[in-house]
Amino acid sequence: EDQVTQSPEALRLQEGESSSLNCSYTVSGLRGLFWYRQDPGKGPEFLFTLYSAGEEKEKERLKATLTKKESFLHITAPKPEDSATYLCAVLVNSGGGADGLTFGKGTHLIIQP
Amino acid sequence: DTEVTQTPKHLVMGMTNKKSLKCEQHMGHRAMYWYKQKAKKPPELMFVYSYEKLSINESVPSRFSPECPNSSLLNLHLHALQPEDSALYLCASSQDVQVLWAYEQYFGPGTRLTVT
Repeated sequence: EDQVTQSPEALRLQEGESSSLNCSYTVSGLRGLFWYRQDPGKGPEFLFTLYSAGEEKEKERLKATLTKKESFLHITAPKPEDSATYLCAVLVNSGGGADGLTFGKGTHLIIQP
Repeated sequence: DTEVTQTPKHLVMGMTNKKSLKCEQHMGHRAMYWYKQKAKKPPELMFVYSYEKLSINESVPSRFSPECPNSSLLNLHLHALQPEDSALYLCASSQDVQVLWAYEQYFGPGTRLTVT
């Protein structure tokens, strides 16, 4: 069974304190790994897609990396507005062509001023 | 523009009511999705439409009925729902499902559904 596990479940940081969020996956036929940010009561906001081990992508204070077993979302010098739930999702190759995303439970990040 | 719109924003309905949720995108995307999200849980896939045809139904009860009238619109018809169906219903779209680089899904703001 495909599994996506995110850790930690919750993380509280001081403004400017860098850290990393983890997404480990146990899937067969990974086609892509996606990172989203979700604010309370809103839809997920797309951040990154990673397709192959060794790939890295950056956007402002965020950097996503991918290995064969896990992905990290590094947050450098975070600001209070970075507070949100960060969701990791995988797309697997089911052979049928059309697939939805399987999400992890997310990491609830709080950045204190 | 990566906007997906959903209406209504909030919906309260009784267990005997019939209502519909609407989703619209004007990005030329050919795949559209419905997800259900309970409080403090991740989104769960319900349906996938590819080129206006239903391609995935994740064993969703028949009281939920999806419809894709055209490539820009997606509806979710609701009938005889249960209180446990109360959740945030999210619509998403992606450019295609056949080409990996075009698989990035963009979500709407959701419809907060309460079943009384």
